[in-house]
Amino acid sequence: KQEVTQIPAALSVPEGENLVLNCSFTDSAIYNLQWFRQDPGKGLTSLLLIQSSQREQTSGRLNASLDKSSGRSTLYIAASQPGDSATYLCAVPSSGSARQLTFGSGTQLTVLP
Amino acid sequence: EAGVVQSPRYKIIEKKQPVAFWCNPISGHNTLYWYLQNLGQGPELLIRYENEEAVDDSQLPKDRFSAERLKGVDSTLKIQPAELGDSAVYLCASSTTGQVGTDTQYFGPGTRLTVL
Repeated sequence: KQEVTQIPAALSVPEGENLVLNCSFTDSAIYNLQWFRQDPGKGLTSLLLIQSSQREQTSGRLNASLDKSSGRSTLYIAASQPGDSATYLCAVPSSGSARQLTFGSGTQLTVLP
Repeated sequence: EAGVVQSPRYKIIEKKQPVAFWCNPISGHNTLYWYLQNLGQGPELLIRYENEEAVDDSQLPKDRFSAERLKGVDSTLKIQPAELGDSAVYLCASSTTGQVGTDTQYFGPGTRLTVL
C-alpha cells in the first residue's frame, strides 16, 4: 500500500527566504507525482505534475524534483512571499491504481512579512 | 472557464440525519472523484467515476454512503444516517481521461460537514 509522508508538518519563514518542502513515498512504481496548494477553506490547486520519466519541473518561483529510486520529491520555493502561505500537499498514484491518488498530510507554510 | 462547483459549502446537521452533497465538474471532464478530507490530513478517495460508471469505490462505506452520477455529468454524494465521525470536508474533483500519468485533477472548494 502506497504511503506518503511530508516533512515538516509546519514551517514558518521570513519573507524572501528560499525554502524546501519534502515528500517521500513507499512504492516507487509511480507514473507521476503532483504538488498541490490548499488555502484555508478552499479546494486544492495543482501546482506541478512531474511524470515518472522526468527529474524536475519548474513553474515560476517553484521547482519540483523527483527521485523515483529513493522515493523522494522536493518542492523548492524561491524568494518566498506572504502570498505563498498555504498548505502544500504532494500526491502519487496509489499502488495498483494509476488514477487513484494517495496524498501526504501536507506542510503548512507561513511566510512572515 | 468555470471550475468545479460544489454545494452547499457548509452543512450542519444532527447525527442520524441524512445529508447530500452536489458536484458539477468542469465541462468535458469525464472523470469525477469524491474525496474526504479530515482536519490536518490529505484527501482520501471515496469513489471515482468514469462517465456514469463507478470504477473505484472500494473506500466508500457502503452501509451509509451512496453516490450517483446520472448522465455522466453532475454527481451527488449522500450519507444516511450521518454519524459524528463523518464531520469532515468533502471534496469533488474532475479530470479528463487522458494518458495515464498525465491527467491533472481539478478540485472544487469542498463542502464542510459538521455533525452534532
